[in-house]
Amino acid sequence: SAVISQKPSRDICQRGTSLTIQCQVDSQVTMMFWYRQQPGQSLTLIATANQGSEATYESGFVIDKFPISRPNLTFSTLTVSNMSPEDSSIYLCTTLRGVWGTEAFFGQGTRLTVV
Amino acid sequence: EDQVTQSPEALRLQEGESSSLNCSYTVSGLRGLFWYRQDPGKGPEFLFTLYSAGEEKEKERLKATLTKKESFLHITAPKPEDSATYLCAVQETSGSRLTFGEGTQLTVNP
Repeated sequence: SAVISQKPSRDICQRGTSLTIQCQVDSQVTMMFWYRQQPGQSLTLIATANQGSEATYESGFVIDKFPISRPNLTFSTLTVSNMSPEDSSIYLCTTLRGVWGTEAFFGQGTRLTVV
Repeated sequence: EDQVTQSPEALRLQEGESSSLNCSYTVSGLRGLFWYRQDPGKGPEFLFTLYSAGEEKEKERLKATLTKKESFLHITAPKPEDSATYLCAVQETSGSRLTFGEGTQLTVNP
């Protein structure tokens, strides 16, 4: 299984500020994904981050609110901009591994609380 | 649009009481169906991938099966440490994204 490390593991932020979440993978991967899990809900894909190109955002998510960087094949960042309490969630990055390159392994996530 | 529905939303079992969780899905072409376990405050932990109808996989007290419309996660003689939320997700043949169900919150009482 992949080893995925996220920083920070949790944070409490003031509304209107921004937080950048870092995701480090233990080996080179083509695709990295960012998910959000709001309290009591399942996971929703925010965007797919490919190295060397702009991230692809899902419906309902925009680059101005969730800018993503992918400077190399082992690292990505997600910024949550101009935060409001509605952004309080767990943010998770993941990548694909396995025999067929289809199995998604998750990091421990970043628990964000906006006050 | 891919859809994944899990039932029940919550399940309470006594230790040793076997049961099954259901994951119904609608997808144009299935590349894989995934089961995850999630403990509170943690990221999902990968359990199984199923690729084709009729496939079965086992891990300790868990057994996952797949048909063309649904998957079951059977839990045999569960223990309190099996308490967690179990998530099902599907991946379409045309892409890499996963579509998750809402999960089943399992509680196993001693």
